[in-house]
Amino acid sequence: EDQVTQSPEALRLQEGESSSLNCSYTVSGLRGLFWYRQDPGKGPEFLFTLYSAGEEKEKERLKATLTKKESFLHITAPKPEDSATYLCAVMDSSYKLIFGSGTRLLVRP
Amino acid sequence: EAGVVQSPRYKIIEKKQPVAFWCNPISGHNTLYWYRQNLGQGPELLIRYENEEAVDDSQLPKDRFSAERLKGVDSTLKIQPAELGDSAVYLCASSLVAGNTDTQYFGPGTRLTVL
Repeated sequence: EDQVTQSPEALRLQEGESSSLNCSYTVSGLRGLFWYRQDPGKGPEFLFTLYSAGEEKEKERLKATLTKKESFLHITAPKPEDSATYLCAVMDSSYKLIFGSGTRLLVRP
Repeated sequence: EAGVVQSPRYKIIEKKQPVAFWCNPISGHNTLYWYRQNLGQGPELLIRYENEEAVDDSQLPKDRFSAERLKGVDSTLKIQPAELGDSAVYLCASSLVAGNTDTQYFGPGTRLTVL
């Protein structure tokens, strides 16, 4: 069965304290791995798509990497405005998105 | 460019009452999705439309849930009758074409509370 597991469930950082979020997955026929950001009361906002192991993508303070079993979202020198829930999702062979439960990130000033 | 539009944003109903949610996708997007997101969880797919056709409704509880996408643009998701366990955020998303890895863009969601 296709499955996505995100860790940690919650993460508290001081402003400027870099860290990483993990997304482990098992899926039949990975089409792509997606990262979204979700703010309270809003829908998920697209961040990145990764297609193959070894691929990396960056956007401002965020960098996403992919291996055959997991993906990491690295946050460098975070700011309070980076506080949000970060969702990981895999697209299976039928083009269906399967989401993890997310990591709630709080960055304190 | 306008994003995915959903209404209402919030809905509170008594159990056994009917409720409907509306979604207008991004202009030109042929594929439309309805998801349900429970508190502290990621979204779960309910139904996927390619133009007017529902191509994946395997996760839609068909005894009480129904959906339609007339003319291949707007869509409506209905619950009748609602149960306490239906309390959740209902998200609509759209993507440009079907059958590939096009990004799905989400609307703000409708938060449903069933009392």
